[in-house]
Amino acid sequence: EIVLTQSPGTLSLSSGERATLSCRASQSVSSSNLAWYQQRPGQAPRLLIYGASNRATGIPDRFSGSGFGTDFTLTISRLEPVDFAVYYCQQYGSSPYTFGQGTKLEIK
Amino acid sequence: QVQLVQSGAEVKTPGASVKVSCKTSGYTFIAYGITWVRQAPGQGLEWMGWITDYSGNTNYAQRLQGRVTMTTDTSTSTAYMELRGLRSDDTAMYYCSRAVWYGSGWYSDYWGQGTLVTVSS
Repeated sequence: EIVLTQSPGTLSLSSGERATLSCRASQSVSSSNLAWYQQRPGQAPRLLIYGASNRATGIPDRFSGSGFGTDFTLTISRLEPVDFAVYYCQQYGSSPYTFGQGTKLEIK
Repeated sequence: QVQLVQSGAEVKTPGASVKVSCKTSGYTFIAYGITWVRQAPGQGLEWMGWITDYSGNTNYAQRLQGRVTMTTDTSTSTAYMELRGLRSDDTAMYYCSRAVWYGSGWYSDYWGQGTLVTVSS
C-alpha cells in the first residue's frame, strides 16, 4: 500500500498570501495518477487537480499542481477567504487507492 | 449538469447491514465508474472501492473485502453500496463519486452529498 504523507498538518496564512502544500509518497507514483481535493467544513470533497498538474473544470488558475515520483505540491498563488479548508492528495494508480491525512489551511 | 444524489441518513445496530444508493444524472452513466469513499467523524478520507458502470467490474479495499458489495442499475443510473456486519467503527459519512479513467486509474470528479451511517447499540 502506498502511504501518502502530507505536510504541514496545519498551515496558518493570511488572505493574499501564497500557500504551498506537500504530498510525499512512500513509493513512486505516476504523475498521471495523483489528485488533489479540497474539503470545506460540512461539504463533500471537491476535485482540484488530477494527473498531478491538470486543473479540474471550473477551478481557478490560482490553484496549480506539480511534482513527480514521490514528491508532489499543490500551490495556491493568492489565498482568498474561500480557500481556507482541508486539502487531500490521493494516488489512484495502485490499489488500494490511498489519501494523505490532509492539510488544514487556516486563517492566520 | 452532473448530479449524484445519495439516500438519507441511516442508524443501524452492530451486526446489521446498510445499503446506500447514489442516483446519478446529467451524464452517460455507463461511460464512467463510481467510487465510494468514507469519512469517520473528524477523520480523513478512506477509499472503499470502485465499480465500472459499463461492465460491473469491482475493486474493493482489502480491509472491507467480504463485507462490502458495490452494484449498479444501468436502467435507473443508480449505484449502490452495501456494507454488512456493521461495527461501531463503520460510523462515517459515505460518499459516492463519479470516477474518471485517467492514466492507469480512476479519479473522482463529481461527488454526492454524503450519507451519514451511524452504528450504535
